Amino acid sequence: EAAVTQSPRNKVAVTGGKVTLSCNQTNNHNNMYWYRQDTGHGLRLIHYSYGAGSTEKGDIPDGYKASRPSQENFSLILELATPSQTSVYFCASGDPHISNERLFFGHGTKLSVL
Amino acid sequence: KTQVEQSPQSLVVRQGENCVLQCNYSVTPDNHLRWFKQDTGKGLVSLTVLVDQKDKTSNGRYSATLDKDAKHSTLHITATLLDDTATYICVVGDRGSALGRLHFGAGTQLIVIP
Repeated sequence: EAAVTQSPRNKVAVTGGKVTLSCNQTNNHNNMYWYRQDTGHGLRLIHYSYGAGSTEKGDIPDGYKASRPSQENFSLILELATPSQTSVYFCASGDPHISNERLFFGHGTKLSVL
Repeated sequence: KTQVEQSPQSLVVRQGENCVLQCNYSVTPDNHLRWFKQDTGKGLVSLTVLVDQKDKTSNGRYSATLDKDAKHSTLHITATLLDDTATYICVVGDRGSALGRLHFGAGTQLIVIP
């Protein structure tokens, strides 16, 4: 079964601090995604990537950067964390060459910004 | 404006009972529709993908329908088990690849009691 691993599982940060969320996939998938999930809302796309070296803005990119240094790794970076970024963050990977691409999600990172 | 509406918001059933979850959407174009299961504190796991104008799928005790004319989908769970307790999320894709926009519903929280 395909695997997507996120770290850390939980993170507490201070306002104005830098936070890096990491994601690793062993599926050899080209596409990777970062979403956030807030209570009462559906998942929202922050950044995504077509492959190593590529990052693209999603629907809510403000306040976030992304980095894809390799096929396996995709990071989400909060340079100056704010309390509004308190959320659960999910990473996913998928293979665009498969029609109706199947997505595999990590277990999520719960971030609290105080 | 929310483009994917799920109902009910939450549902409690007794083990062994059947249940039906609803998904209405306004996403255009609607290339495909996915149902995911999310256990508490975990990532999303794909249950099924529906593609055709009027589609039906079956995956064990889970079955789903899609009517693109009505922009409506249902997820049926037969003979519920305690392990079915989870949030079920409806997602509409506007392209064949997830690199198109995926529109997530907020989910239906299903609780199965003994």
